[in-house]
Amino acid sequence: QSVLTQPPSVSAAPGQRVTISCTGSSSNIGAGYDVHWYQQVPGTAPKLLIYNNINRPSGVPDRFSGSKSGTSASLAITGLQAEDEADYYCQSYDRSLRAYVFGTGTTVTVL
Amino acid sequence: QVQVVESGGGVAQPGWTLRLSCAASGFTFGSYGMFWVRQAPGKGLEWVTFISHDGNNKYYEDSVKGRFTVSRDNSKNTLDMQMTSLRSGDTAVYYCGRQKEDAIDVWGRGTKVIVSS
Repeated sequence: QSVLTQPPSVSAAPGQRVTISCTGSSSNIGAGYDVHWYQQVPGTAPKLLIYNNINRPSGVPDRFSGSKSGTSASLAITGLQAEDEADYYCQSYDRSLRAYVFGTGTTVTVL
Repeated sequence: QVQVVESGGGVAQPGWTLRLSCAASGFTFGSYGMFWVRQAPGKGLEWVTFISHDGNNKYYEDSVKGRFTVSRDNSKNTLDMQMTSLRSGDTAVYYCGRQKEDAIDVWGRGTKVIVSS
């Protein structure tokens, strides 16, 4: 049972905007630990999209953006493209569990 | 180019031991902490273990504590994970990854472990 909760799925038409929430608690996101986001196309390895809440690694389009507030974080994808269809995971650290934790994962579908 | 490549997966019976390896190239391996993350069939990502750049600090997910041991050889640019007393719940694709802050910025393609009698 993950301590970071994400919606199972989100969908939108090409060109639209979607946001994915990652809800934690006072022992992880709310404790000040950074949130990171990964994209995983089924059958392939995850890819880092956002690190330290808001930063994009080189090569990641600026259509992807991250934010964090309180005990939650969000990933936004603007100008949705067919290639964005994938699973997305948030990740942080939990001081009570003394463990790195991943979110439950969200499947993005481009209609 | 910067990459990590896992190996050592396979089919094991419950109680058996497997040793996974991760070969790093294209970067100064000894300067980075390293992770193992697994993904059970049809499930999400699960952190397994972390080892600091010098090997002095090691952390494990609760279900593998006492059964899995992570190690590294910075002279050979390799990361290993000895998995003992394997259980069916350990069936997964195992990924190694390079630390960037507390994220994982370089991932391998993974190696599949199946534990079944």
